[in-house]
Amino acid sequence: EVQLLESGGGLVQPGGSLRLSCSASGFTFSGYGMSWVRQAPGKGLEWVSVISESGSSTHYADSVRGRFTISRDNSRDTLSLQMNSLRAEDSAVYYCVKGWGHHDYWGQGTLVTVSS
Amino acid sequence: DVVMTQTPLSLSVTPGQPASISCKSSQSLLHNNGKTYLYWYLQRPGQPPQLLIYEVSNRLSGVPDRFSGSGSGTDFTLKISRVEAEDVGVYYCMQSIQFPRTLGQGTKLEIK
Repeated sequence: EVQLLESGGGLVQPGGSLRLSCSASGFTFSGYGMSWVRQAPGKGLEWVSVISESGSSTHYADSVRGRFTISRDNSRDTLSLQMNSLRAEDSAVYYCVKGWGHHDYWGQGTLVTVSS
Repeated sequence: DVVMTQTPLSLSVTPGQPASISCKSSQSLLHNNGKTYLYWYLQRPGQPPQLLIYEVSNRLSGVPDRFSGSGSGTDFTLKISRVEAEDVGVYYCMQSIQFPRTLGQGTKLEIK
């Protein structure tokens, strides 16, 4: 059974940093691209970032480029999202998602709140 | 960026009746490999999204056959032949032909 378990969310002040992690199991992690998608409270879904199977290729939404960094550790089946210079508009549930474009499994999400 | 526009934004349907959601993209989602990268997701209340339909018309394993997807190029439709109570939630279309990936605003389906 595929499982994606996010962690690392919490309350952070504007301008601060946070690192999200996603522990994957139930599939060959190194064989799939992985993504992050977020959802602000009461709003729709927003794609954030994707990383290729090997980690050699990454893409970002314009809203986070230069502030967020996606990475992966295939030896530990773990996906990460380093978030710097956080803004109030980054407040959202962040979902870890299996897939490069075909997002067939989603984690339960971790809540990030950016507020003073 | 590819803009995805869904209509309607909300839908109220009597159980057993059909429902239809339209999704239009600002650019063709047909890749030169012949595949069209349009996906449909359902987010039930309090749950993460789940993939229903991939590449326009392919149901994911386990998705009831009352769900069907159709369309080509820039115009796509998700149809539910007979709505059931468990179908309530927000439906999103998403394109994966180019970055950034973009989604429609979502269509909220409720039961009358």
